[in-house]
Amino acid sequence: EAQVTQNPRYLITVTGKKLTVTCSQNMNHEYMSWYRQDPGLGLRQIYYSMNVEVTDKGDVPEGYKVSRKEKRNFPLILESPSPNQTSLYFCASRLQGGQETQYFGPGTRLLVL
Amino acid sequence: SQQGEEDPQALSIQEGENATMNCSYKTSINNLQWYRQNSGRGLVHLILIRSNEREKHSGRLRVTLDTSKKSSSLLITASRAADTASYFCATGGYGQNFVFGPGTRLSVLP
Repeated sequence: EAQVTQNPRYLITVTGKKLTVTCSQNMNHEYMSWYRQDPGLGLRQIYYSMNVEVTDKGDVPEGYKVSRKEKRNFPLILESPSPNQTSLYFCASRLQGGQETQYFGPGTRLLVL
Repeated sequence: SQQGEEDPQALSIQEGENATMNCSYKTSINNLQWYRQNSGRGLVHLILIRSNEREKHSGRLRVTLDTSKKSSSLLITASRAADTASYFCATGGYGQNFVFGPGTRLSVLP
């Protein structure tokens, strides 16, 4: 089944404790992206990647890191989480090109205390 | 930078009625997409309309695009309780990122 998976789905952590949210897709998509969703703000893009070893900042990259060592995986790293990073995070992927549909993962709900 | 802005923010209708949501954006686009999100879950793609298209249909969905006004509308006909969700428009520019609006929360009452 074609899908985007994220882990963990729920995470409670404390300020400053490094964490990684994994994202994997099985559709051989070149393009992958991370978003955060906050009430009243819709989805805001954090980082995106157009292919292996190619990443770029979205609208809200501060406090986040990403890597793209393999085509199927695009982990989101929070080196020193802070409470303002409490949010619902979505990973998405699509084929390269500007006319393609994005496929979203189920979301990771993060609470930073 | 927030590109798409949906209107209204919230909409309540009775089952069987039509629901119309609007989206406005600011810069030139390559395409515009509409997504649905059930509470706290991932987004599901509904329909994509290219910048050179004016109208598109998919089942009970009808999307229009007016590039001169930088606006789009999503019409859901004969709504059902299962249509209750948040609806987002996302604009795809000539770069590689999509920009989402804050969404319209639709409630369809039985």
